[in-house]
Amino acid sequence: AQKVTQAQTEISVVEKEDVTLDCVYETRDTTYYLFWYKQPPSGELVFLIRRNSFDEQNEISGRYSWNFQKSTSSFNFTITASQVVDSAVYFCALRRRGETSGSRLTFGEGTQLTVNP
Amino acid sequence: DVKVTQSSRYLVKRTGEKVFLECVQDMDHENMFWYRQDPGLGLRLIYFSYDVKMKEKGDIPEGYSVSREKKERFSLILESASTNQTSMYLCASSLGYITSGPQETQYFGPGTRLLVL
Repeated sequence: AQKVTQAQTEISVVEKEDVTLDCVYETRDTTYYLFWYKQPPSGELVFLIRRNSFDEQNEISGRYSWNFQKSTSSFNFTITASQVVDSAVYFCALRRRGETSGSRLTFGEGTQLTVNP
Repeated sequence: DVKVTQSSRYLVKRTGEKVFLECVQDMDHENMFWYRQDPGLGLRLIYFSYDVKMKEKGDIPEGYSVSREKKERFSLILESASTNQTSMYLCASSLGYITSGPQETQYFGPGTRLLVL
């Protein structure tokens, strides 16, 4: 079964704090992709990162970094020196194959991050 | 940039009405998706389409149907709206069903908040 768990429903931090959003996944696929999306109050999901299962290098993009650990089935997301504009719901997702063709994403429940000034 | 648009941001309908939600993408993407988003449940896939006139059921297709007559347009239809279909509906598209790399990334529209009274 494919499953993504984001155990943190809500996180609240003060601006400039570092914050880590956890994501744990389950899959029987040997090749898979993991994603993070950001959903600001406007509602549109914004793609942040895609990581494939055979590339375990961590990635950094500005204040964002991602830690992929296959051994623990985790794909955690860290925001360094958080800002108020980082306030949003963040979703972790796992790509799985469709029955006939194409692929589909399984999403976690999302983590509401609030950054207070 | 990928552009996915949805016909309405907010919609109010009455129980039993037939409801059409329209989604259009302008990047010649093969795949299109409809999700609903509910608090605590994340995003759940209703239907997706991997080609014109082709569709596949997602995880929660009951009470919904879809139509894809043209590549750029994917419609979600609620044949007889019910109050438990009050939700946020998100459309997404991705480049193709070739199972590797960037083709997997889904790009989302702004969402439609549907209230069924």
